[in-house]
Amino acid sequence: EIVLTQSPATLSLSPGERATLSCRASQSVNYLAWYQQKRGQAPRLLIYDTSKRLNGVPDRFRGSGSGTDFTLTISSLEPEDFAVYYCQQRGHWLLTFGGGTKVEI
Amino acid sequence: QVQLVESGGGVVQAGGSLRLSCGASGFTFSGHDMHWVRQAPGQGLEWVSFIQYDGTNKNYADSVAGRVTISRDNSKNMLYLEMNSLRPEDTAIYYCAKPSGSCIDSWGQGILVTVSS
Repeated sequence: EIVLTQSPATLSLSPGERATLSCRASQSVNYLAWYQQKRGQAPRLLIYDTSKRLNGVPDRFRGSGSGTDFTLTISSLEPEDFAVYYCQQRGHWLLTFGGGTKVEI
Repeated sequence: QVQLVESGGGVVQAGGSLRLSCGASGFTFSGHDMHWVRQAPGQGLEWVSFIQYDGTNKNYADSVAGRVTISRDNSKNMLYLEMNSLRPEDTAIYYCAKPSGSCIDSWGQGILVTVSS
């Protein structure tokens, strides 16, 4: 089973700063997705197939990577971006999630 | 638009049982695989179970295998999760989730299951 490790666990930044979130897989994966979750809400899909932004997701969110190393970059943090972010990959009839990165002020 | 609405959660004693339901609308339910994903209080997301679009294939996380059964009724656009021998560590918000390709593009609002010891 593939394990996804996200780092850092917490990222303390200010609005306007750049956020770089890492997701490392224990084995090579084909595609990775990224989700944003705010307190009391269900996760929201941001990025799928490693680098494709869902319709309506601002272009300050960028997904990149391949193989075992993936990155979500938020180019300039807006106040509404402070949340927890999860990466996810699909295996054979199962899903695997990373432990999450909390982006806080 | 896609809507997934969970129900059936609540407080149950350890060792007890609970059946979660998820009503789906806004898409062709019978044509889509489905998942259950849970989130313990203050913790991350944990995949629980998968069912293929026609119910042919199912899969379970090791943490629930043997205690949980996923099923669906395509005639009613309903997804179910039957949970038995519940443990305190099963306490979580349970989400019904619709996949698209390799990701989840739609989530329910979640339903809280609390297992008391």
